Amino acid sequence: QQQVKQSPQSLIVQKGGISIINCAYENTAFDYFPWYQQFPGKGPALLIAIRPDVSEKKEGRFTISFNKSAKQFSLHIMDSQPGDSATYFCAAKMPSGSRLTFGEGTQLTVNP
Amino acid sequence: GAVVSQHPSWVICKSGTSVKIECRSLDFQATTMFWYRQFPKQSLMLMATSNEGSKATYEQGVEKDKFLINHASLTLSTLTVTSAHPEDSSFYICSARISSGSGDEQFFGPGTRLTVL
Repeated sequence: QQQVKQSPQSLIVQKGGISIINCAYENTAFDYFPWYQQFPGKGPALLIAIRPDVSEKKEGRFTISFNKSAKQFSLHIMDSQPGDSATYFCAAKMPSGSRLTFGEGTQLTVNP
Repeated sequence: GAVVSQHPSWVICKSGTSVKIECRSLDFQATTMFWYRQFPKQSLMLMATSNEGSKATYEQGVEKDKFLINHASLTLSTLTVTSAHPEDSSFYICSARISSGSGDEQFFGPGTRLTVL
């Protein structure tokens, strides 16, 4: 019930392409879905987040698509750049608590 | 804003010694901080939730006597790894929670790499 499943485990994209990372959750009580970007040897940084009352949120090249009925959400990185190469984690949070449940992570490599 | 720092950024210690890691919220007050552990190419594993002025809440399987957490002020939480062993070598990351009218968010520190010889 508390798990968040993330795929793919790794992803290689050419510069300028679209990177898509998917997450699925079981617990319908989750009400906050953030995405974090982590570079090697660094802590995660909040990239973009969405709440289930909207189906899409866009910030620059990053877009979250949210499908409440399917209990899935995804991160789209448009015009992917080599500087986007990092590990991306999706997460989910319950309304009554502050702890985050993380996905397994996706290692993205954007080739020049 | 919302900057979280950790000190040290890396530490090497001998087996059997204790190591203290500090987590500070630099520009905000955090009543709640979190400590995570991350192994190479794996996700973050929540170790404990640290609340200012009260005892930490540990996740199942985390030894509270081995990983001592103190949250003595609204800007500082410390994690002490006692009697460290090589299996404790890992990347330790803290986060601090900010609550607002629209909900709350966690901001993460840069992490501390612990190597136990």
